[in-house]
Amino acid sequence: KNQVEQSPQSLIILEGKNCTLQCNYTVSPFSNLRWYKQDTGRGPVSLTIMTFSENTKSNGRYTATLDADTKQSSLHITASQLSDSASYICVVSAKLITAGSQGNLIFGKGTKLSVKP
Amino acid sequence: GAGVSQSPRYKVTKRGQDVALRCDPISGHVSLYWYRQALGQGPEFLTYFNYEAQQDKSGLPNDRFSAERPEGSISTLTIQRTEQRDSAMYRCASSLVPGPNTGELFFGEGSRLTVL
Repeated sequence: KNQVEQSPQSLIILEGKNCTLQCNYTVSPFSNLRWYKQDTGRGPVSLTIMTFSENTKSNGRYTATLDADTKQSSLHITASQLSDSASYICVVSAKLITAGSQGNLIFGKGTKLSVKP
Repeated sequence: GAGVSQSPRYKVTKRGQDVALRCDPISGHVSLYWYRQALGQGPEFLTYFNYEAQQDKSGLPNDRFSAERPEGSISTLTIQRTEQRDSAMYRCASSLVPGPNTGELFFGEGSRLTVL
């Protein structure tokens, strides 16, 4: 069964510190992996999209890594800011095999990050 | 438009009533997705369209749920005979390219449905 597991479920860090969020998946065949940031009460906003051949991608203070062999990804946030407080959702996309496959985007439940002053 | 627009933002209805939720995607976006998101959870896929064609509706919970996108732009998600368990945030997303899983998804602010 295609699944995306994220850890930790929640995380509290002090402003200025770094943190790393984890995503493990069992989606096959793999197409791409996305990280989204979702502020409370808002829609998810894309941070990165990574394909099989990419093992790292940065977007400002956010750096995502992908190990397609172990089926793991991480999102590293550097020098955290109060505005980084949000849920971070890992989404894995499967290659379309047949129709009726739930749109082929499998969402994790997210990691809720709180950055404290 | 500048972003994906959903209406109403909040809807409170009594059990048994029908509701219609509207999604206006980014202009020119080909694919449109409907998701349902419970508090503290990631979005749950409902259905998606490429242009006006409904490609996949396997995520719709039961036959009380339906969606249409007759002209390949605005979409409506309709829930008939609402039940309390239908209460959730309903999110729409659109993408420039045909789906699924190709191209970046842009999400709307969502429609919060509460069924009393």
